[in-house]
Amino acid sequence: AQSVAQPEDQVNVAEGNPLTVKCTYSVSGNPYLFWYVQYPNRGLQFLLKYITGDNLVKGSYGFEAEFNKSQTSFHLKKPSALVSDSALYFCAAYMDSSYKLIFGSGTRLLVRP
Amino acid sequence: DAMVIQNPRYQVTQFGKPVTLSCSQTLNHNVMYWYQQKSSQAPKLLFHYYDKDFNNEADTPDNFQSRRPNTSFCFLDIRSPGLGDAAMYLCATSRGDRGYEQYFGPGTRLTVT
Repeated sequence: AQSVAQPEDQVNVAEGNPLTVKCTYSVSGNPYLFWYVQYPNRGLQFLLKYITGDNLVKGSYGFEAEFNKSQTSFHLKKPSALVSDSALYFCAAYMDSSYKLIFGSGTRLLVRP
Repeated sequence: DAMVIQNPRYQVTQFGKPVTLSCSQTLNHNVMYWYQQKSSQAPKLLFHYYDKDFNNEADTPDNFQSRRPNTSFCFLDIRSPGLGDAAMYLCATSRGDRGYEQYFGPGTRLTVT
């Protein structure tokens, strides 16, 4: 069965420290992987995606993600966290050859001052 | 510039009273999606349109219907809302290319009294 897993419900990090939000996937065929962020009472906002090519993908607001095929992972990273990065983060992948996204369960990031 | 617009942002309806949520897009995307999201959980896909082709998820209740009169607009109709239908409803659009991200609207928060 195809799935996207985010093993951590919450990640806590101090401002200025690096952050990692983990994501692993299990999809058939080539993975099309995405990260979205959601602030309270708002829609999801696209951060970055991996389709093909370079395993390190750079996105919005200083975020980047590393695609690792052997570990079937797509972890989101940022070298220096900001308090304003505190939000809910979702990893997602397209199912099969469809246009439907499978979402992970979400990880709440809390950056303390 | 607003690209995916949802109206209203907040909707209060009574138990059993039909309600319609609206979504419009300025992106000219082929695919439009409706998601239900509860309590910071992952968005749950209700249905999507690829152009005029309607695709219903197997577990979407019959109480939920959708219309897409043209490329720009899509509506979610809830025929007889129950208390369990209180949620954030998110509209998203995509270009119909699996390498392309989905763009989300700000959502409509539905309260059922």
